[in-house]
Amino acid sequence: EAQVTQNPRYLITVTGKKLTVTCSQNMNHEYMSWYRQDPGLGLRQIYYSMNVEVTDKGDVPEGYKVSRKEKRNFPLILESPSPNQTSLYFCASSSGQGKSSYEQYFGPGTRLTVT
Amino acid sequence: AQKITQTQPGMFVQEKEAVTLDCTYDTSDPSYGLFWYKQPSSGEMIFLIYQGSYDQQNATEGRYSLNFQKARKSANLVISASQLGDSAMYFCAMREEPRGGSQGNLIFGKGTKLSVKP
Repeated sequence: EAQVTQNPRYLITVTGKKLTVTCSQNMNHEYMSWYRQDPGLGLRQIYYSMNVEVTDKGDVPEGYKVSRKEKRNFPLILESPSPNQTSLYFCASSSGQGKSSYEQYFGPGTRLTVT
Repeated sequence: AQKITQTQPGMFVQEKEAVTLDCTYDTSDPSYGLFWYKQPSSGEMIFLIYQGSYDQQNATEGRYSLNFQKARKSANLVISASQLGDSAMYFCAMREEPRGGSQGNLIFGKGTKLSVKP
C-alpha cells in the first residue's frame, strides 16, 4: 500500500529537549516536504527536498532542520524546541515531475506540544 | 509572489444541497496547478481534485468539481448533493509547475470549515 508514515503521532516535550519526527514514504518519490498547521493559518511549508541531499527552506524554516540521506526518509529535527513550535506537523511526498506528480501524499500528522 | 485566498472561514449547507467553496489565487507564473484538500476532524489530509492551468475543461471527480475561471484567478470547489460526511475543513492550494521543470512549493489557503446540516 502506497503511504507516508510519520512517527511519533503524538509527542509532548519540554522546551530545549531535542527531538526528531521521522517521515518515510514507500513510493520512490523524489519530492518530500514538511508542513505545520496552526489554527487560522492553514498549512505552511517548513522545508522541502527535491531529491537525496537536496533540501531547501520553505516559508517558516526557523527552528527546524531536515536531512535527506535516503530517498525514502525525510526527518524533521527540532534542535531546541520552543512553545511556539507547538503545532500539527505533516510530511508529504510526490513524484516531482510531470502531470502525474500532481497528487501530494500526506502522512497522518504528528501533534507536537512543547511545554 | 504566490498567494491563495479563501474568504469563507465557515460555511453551512443543508444535506443533499450543493455548496460552493471560494478560492482565489495570485501568481505570475503562466503554468501552475490548483488543488483542493479535505481535512476531516480526524486530521488527515485527503486530496480531492486537481486543475492544471492549461487544462481546457474544468476538473471533476465524482461529486466534486472545480469551477476554474482563469481570467478571474478563481478556483472554486463545488460539492454536489452534500452528505453529512462532507463536514470538514477544506483547503485550496496552488503550486507553480514550469513546463519541463520540477514542481514548485505547494501554497495553501487558510481553509473553510464546512458544516453539513441534516
